[in-house]
Amino acid sequence: GESVGLHLPTLSVQEGDNSIINCAYSNSASDYFIWYKQESGKGPQFIIDIRSNMDKRQGQRVTVLLNKTVKHLSLQIAATQPGDSAVYFCAETLLGGAQKLVFGQGTRLTINP
Amino acid sequence: NAGVTQTPKFRVLKTGQSMTLLCAQDMNHEYMYWYRQDPGMGLRLIHYSVGEGTTAKGEVPDGYNVSRLKKQNFLLGLESAAPSQTSVYFCASSYAGQGYYSNQPQHFGDGTRLSIL
Repeated sequence: GESVGLHLPTLSVQEGDNSIINCAYSNSASDYFIWYKQESGKGPQFIIDIRSNMDKRQGQRVTVLLNKTVKHLSLQIAATQPGDSAVYFCAETLLGGAQKLVFGQGTRLTINP
Repeated sequence: NAGVTQTPKFRVLKTGQSMTLLCAQDMNHEYMYWYRQDPGMGLRLIHYSVGEGTTAKGEVPDGYNVSRLKKQNFLLGLESAAPSQTSVYFCASSYAGQGYYSNQPQHFGDGTRLSIL
C-alpha cells in the first residue's frame, strides 16, 4: 500500500540553528498529517498536526508546512536545543473516523553543541 | 494523570508460547490502537477499536487478536508467538471528536519490548 517516506534518515544541526525535517507522502487522498517526536525508550509524542485545507500551521518553536501539489510535508524547529534530539516521524491519514495512521520511516535529529 | 499505560514493559517468550499485552488509558478516549515498531522503521497499525466491544484490523493484523471489553482497556494477544513478532509494541488512544474536530491526535504509551526466541 501507499506509505509516507522521509528524504533524510539523519540530520545534524548546531545548537541554536533552525532545523528542517522533510516528508514525502504518496496517498493524494490523505487529508490529515501529524508530526511525532520519539525519544529513546519512549513512545511517540505529538508535536503538531495540520489538515489539508491549510498550508501552514505554527506552534511553539515549530512550524509545519504542507504542499499538496507535490505531496510534501516539512517540520521546522526554530532555535534547536539539546532536548530536541530525537527521531521525528510524519504520519498521514484520512479525516473522519478512527485514524489509521501511516507512518514514515523517521529522521534522527542530532543537536551538536 | 497516567495517560496510556502498557503492561509489561519487557518480555521474552519462546516460539509457540502465548501472551497478552495490556493497555490502559485514563483519558476516557473512545478510540484505541495497537502498533508495532521494528528497528529503524515507523510504526505499523495492527488492530484498532472505535469503542467498547468493537475491534477492526489494521495494516498488519496476522498472528494477533485483540479485545476491548472495557472502554479504558485494550488487550493485544499473541496465540502462538513467532520470532517475526519480535518488536516493540505501542498502544495509543484518542478522542473521537465531531465534525471538523473529528481527528484528534493519538496519545501513546511507552511501549512493550517483546523478544521471541
